[in-house]
Amino acid sequence: DTAVSQTPKYLVTQMGNDKSIKCEQNLGHDTMYWYKQDSKKFLKIMFSYNNKELIINETVPNRFSPKSPDKAHLNLHINSLELGDSAVYFCASSQRGRRDTEAFFGQGTRLTVV
Amino acid sequence: DQQVKQNSPSLSVQEGRISILNCDYTNSMFDYFLWYKKYPAEGPTFLISISSIKDKNEDGRFTVFLNKSAKHLSLHIVPSQPGDSAVYFCAASADYGQNFVFGPGTRLSVLP
Repeated sequence: DTAVSQTPKYLVTQMGNDKSIKCEQNLGHDTMYWYKQDSKKFLKIMFSYNNKELIINETVPNRFSPKSPDKAHLNLHINSLELGDSAVYFCASSQRGRRDTEAFFGQGTRLTVV
Repeated sequence: DQQVKQNSPSLSVQEGRISILNCDYTNSMFDYFLWYKKYPAEGPTFLISISSIKDKNEDGRFTVFLNKSAKHLSLHIVPSQPGDSAVYFCAASADYGQNFVFGPGTRLSVLP
């Protein structure tokens, strides 16, 4: 029973398209994240979303927008895709307010923009 | 500006020996540190953590040491096993276990 699941696992699309990546967690966590792992393998946080509070990494282009229909879901929508958006995107979740807690990650979505 | 650094991109160790992975951080507000392990085509999985009020945490073959004054932590794996071969990420949080900042990772290869 997967704790954090994201779909699709692979996504190949053309420049200029709009695409979404879905994420769901069944851990009852109240905070969800999107991370981007770039070609240099750095894992960088893009968004943190907790109880309708969205914290955005200021370096993320506004073509990227997270959408949360409910506490268990945080989808990532990307407009006007560019070649540089090619990366692996990871969704994660954690429980706010617990000191000894960790983030649980999904398996990743490899996005290739051609 | 890298707040969490792992200066060794890779490390090779013989099976049965100790693996030591290092991590340095610059943000003195970090108070919770974690190690994640990542296999190819999978998401990172949590390995072990340590709060800033401790200097050591042990879980089976894995021990994490924290030196706050040096802003340095290390992960010791002993004995190392071939199945430990993976990329290890150090992560830190200043926000009660939220908004984890990751290092660039160290690829560990345990040779049989």
